[in-house]
Amino acid sequence: DARVTQTPRDKVTEMGQEVTMRCQPILGHNTVFWYRQTMMQGLELLAYFRNRAPLDDSGMPKDRFSAEMPDATLATLKIQPSEPRDSAVYFCASGSARTNYGYTFGSGTRLTVV
Amino acid sequence: QKEVEQDPGPLSVPEGAIVSLNCTYSNSAFQYFMWYRQYSRKGPELLMYTYSSGNKEDGRFTAQVDKSSKYISLFIRDSQPSDSATYLCAMTQNSGYALNFGKGTSLLVTP
Repeated sequence: DARVTQTPRDKVTEMGQEVTMRCQPILGHNTVFWYRQTMMQGLELLAYFRNRAPLDDSGMPKDRFSAEMPDATLATLKIQPSEPRDSAVYFCASGSARTNYGYTFGSGTRLTVV
Repeated sequence: QKEVEQDPGPLSVPEGAIVSLNCTYSNSAFQYFMWYRQYSRKGPELLMYTYSSGNKEDGRFTAQVDKSSKYISLFIRDSQPSDSATYLCAMTQNSGYALNFGKGTSLLVTP
């Protein structure tokens, strides 16, 4: 089965450090999302891309977060500097018109900032 | 107030029971409705996908959408312990747009 691959699986870092999370979307999917999941807020949209172009990043704290798609096989989410309140599970998801945009999620990156 | 509301549970039922999970929403522009299942430490997995109002059935799962009441439901027949997971509703106004999620309902099916 095709899958969305996220790395790292788990990340523990100290406050102030830079964190980079990576996502390999399913081949052929042209829409890629970054979501953040916490117990309090549930799944929140951070940013998404269509054909590598950013469509919406209004959910992302601009001063510390950045999202990019350097090519069609890689999406990155960076946090610099990280803060304890950034501790959450970060999910990448991808989809396309071929799947009627039924999005497939990766297994997530569990981030802990201490 | 969030656009999508979902009772977090937990909901505990005996094996074989019929389970009803529900979401309400406030944005009348939503047209595409989905249910995702999420196991512990896993990503959400798409279960059901419906467009506009009506019912859709897939095996033991039935999704219902009532746009006039802004209310969607997922029914699970003959529930199994393997159905124990968190169920998330999601919706969007246009295909290809970002999904708005409920917070999820935790379901436990006991043998």
